[in-house]
Amino acid sequence: SQQGEEDPQALSIQEGENATMNCSYKTSINNLQWYRQNSGRGLVHLILIRSNEREKHSGRLRVTLDTSKKSSSLLITASRAADTASYFCALTDSWGKLQFGAGTQVVVTP
Amino acid sequence: EAGVTQFPSHSVIEKGQTVTLRCDPISGHDNLYWYRRVMGKEIKFLLHFVKESKQDESGMPNNRFLAERTGGTYSTLKVQPAELEDSGVYFCASSPSVGDDYSPLHFGNGTRLTVT
Repeated sequence: SQQGEEDPQALSIQEGENATMNCSYKTSINNLQWYRQNSGRGLVHLILIRSNEREKHSGRLRVTLDTSKKSSSLLITASRAADTASYFCALTDSWGKLQFGAGTQVVVTP
Repeated sequence: EAGVTQFPSHSVIEKGQTVTLRCDPISGHDNLYWYRRVMGKEIKFLLHFVKESKQDESGMPNNRFLAERTGGTYSTLKVQPAELEDSGVYFCASSPSVGDDYSPLHFGNGTRLTVT
């Protein structure tokens, strides 16, 4: 099925450090999205990158996409305790529905 | 603008009982989705409504699950009878129809269902 697989499963860093997580997928895509989920809350859309884009920025977030390697990365710079959350990449499958992976759980300690 | 709301936030029921989850999407959003996350695994698609019609219900696990969307507004997801493996967090999401362009999904906070 068309879903991304995030890596690593868990990441623990200190405030101020950068956090990088990756998403790999198997089939061709039109776009790839990243979502964040804080504990006990719903998912929040962070950023969408289209297949003809290689890099995109939004505040402290930087997303890259390498369609030849079928992978994407999400970088959070100068992390804060409030960045503690699970991060998911999401792909639209051939039927138009969004498929999510299992996520990367990020813990940022003060 | 009010976000997507889900009720209840938590539900604990015994195996064999019935539970109904409710989702109120953002007003005016034609698309409504149900997803489920079990025990920290991937978030799995259950079904997709466009207005009151089921566009895609390929993710519904079995006939113990019944989803409805009355008048194209709120949606309910009923599990009857509930089994232990139905435990998890059920998310609802909505999005507007924007033609060929893409609009991100807006999620509710989820309903945590525990079947004992």
